[in-house]
Amino acid sequence: ETGVTQTPRHLVMGMTNKKSLKCEQHLGHNAMYWYKQSAKKPLELMFVYSLEERVENNSVPSRFSPECPNSSHLFLHLHTLQPEDSALYLCASSQDIGSYEQYFGPGTRLTVT
Amino acid sequence: GEDVEQSLFLSVREGDSSVINCTYTDSSSTYLYWYKQEPGAGLQLLTYIFSNMDMKQDQRLTVLLNKKDKHLSLRIADTQTGDSAIYFCAESNSSASKIIFGSGTRLSIRP
Repeated sequence: ETGVTQTPRHLVMGMTNKKSLKCEQHLGHNAMYWYKQSAKKPLELMFVYSLEERVENNSVPSRFSPECPNSSHLFLHLHTLQPEDSALYLCASSQDIGSYEQYFGPGTRLTVT
Repeated sequence: GEDVEQSLFLSVREGDSSVINCTYTDSSSTYLYWYKQEPGAGLQLLTYIFSNMDMKQDQRLTVLLNKKDKHLSLRIADTQTGDSAIYFCAESNSSASKIIFGSGTRLSIRP
């Protein structure tokens, strides 16, 4: 049990759908992250939030829209995705933005048809 | 830019040692990490090493760092079936605000 949960665990959506991924951390951490994991590619950092404020956006297309309503919850809103966006989306948290240990959730396996 | 490279696959016999290698390009790397990802799970920090260290040992795990060659390795002694996973090498600078991950090495164990 890592203390970071993600829902749903699996999601299949069409290119015209709108869906949201949810992440929740029960560790009292102040920083949260979204990563994209594609097969045979390095883990890609998408967004970083510190105390509910976005501090990094790694040139992610606008069809991905993050939201951090409080330090325990992080959402990734999806709309008009492309098949190449199919991947495992991982959420992570750390005590603070400069903490070297990040705790990961199990991920949401997204398939875009 | 920063880059972390590692081979995609490694197969070892149960009971043998596994050595997973990684190279990185950022000379200002301060922290170097090994994360483990088991099937259906997120990444879990296995161990880390500061750039001013050459070696770190923790039970069956030994991390070696050659800072001059920017080479990091993870040795798992007496590899067990439970060690089957993807192992990610990663690095960050002193602020640790951004961790750069490799593609992961899938370790498979054969009987």
